[in-house]
Amino acid sequence: KAGVTQTPRYLIKTRGQQVTLSCSPISGHRSVSWYQQTPGQGLQFLFEYFSETQRNKGNFPGRFSGRQFSNSRSEMNVSTLELGDSALYLCASSLAQTLWDGYTFGSGTRLTVV
Amino acid sequence: AQTVTQSQPEMSVQEAETVTLSCTYDTSENNYYLFWYKQPPSRQMILVIRQEAYKQQNATENRFSVNFQKAAKSFSLKISDSQLGDTAMYFCAFKSSGDKLTFGTGTRLAVRP
Repeated sequence: KAGVTQTPRYLIKTRGQQVTLSCSPISGHRSVSWYQQTPGQGLQFLFEYFSETQRNKGNFPGRFSGRQFSNSRSEMNVSTLELGDSALYLCASSLAQTLWDGYTFGSGTRLTVV
Repeated sequence: AQTVTQSQPEMSVQEAETVTLSCTYDTSENNYYLFWYKQPPSRQMILVIRQEAYKQQNATENRFSVNFQKAAKSFSLKISDSQLGDTAMYFCAFKSSGDKLTFGTGTRLAVRP
């Protein structure tokens, strides 16, 4: 079956712009989580959506937002981009019915802010 | 809040040898899961192995096994018969009910031919 699909794979934006990243989970998975990965900070949790509702949120400024659609696809948006937002953004999906249901990750979107 | 600590930023092992990656965590929860993920240069995080806190028996997946010490809050990963394809970043992760998946800072493993 198809894995977690993130688009685009690479993105270059200018400071002050906004960006939208997309994540299509594995069919049947209702939970989608977003992570920011940087060499200095490692993997930082952004938010998790389950059945269109935000279930958990990390410690990121309000410039970072997300949503989940009825088909479980999720988008995250970053407004007023800063140089420090350059990172690999990873999305993970899960059945989230039990703790045992692990997370399957996409290959990420590499965002570069110039 | 849960924390996960990986104290070895980098490790190196000869092909066919065995290597152990360390992980400790801190939590007040009783029911939780621990995971090891591998991230090769392709960037995709791949689940290597997982362990339920209530199970005393250590999990094994082919060449990968864990040493889970619940009282010590330790969860190390042993890779036997290391292969070149094992070269990657390895992340230890923790999850309890209703909470996010929390990662350690990772260990970069290099397998030498």
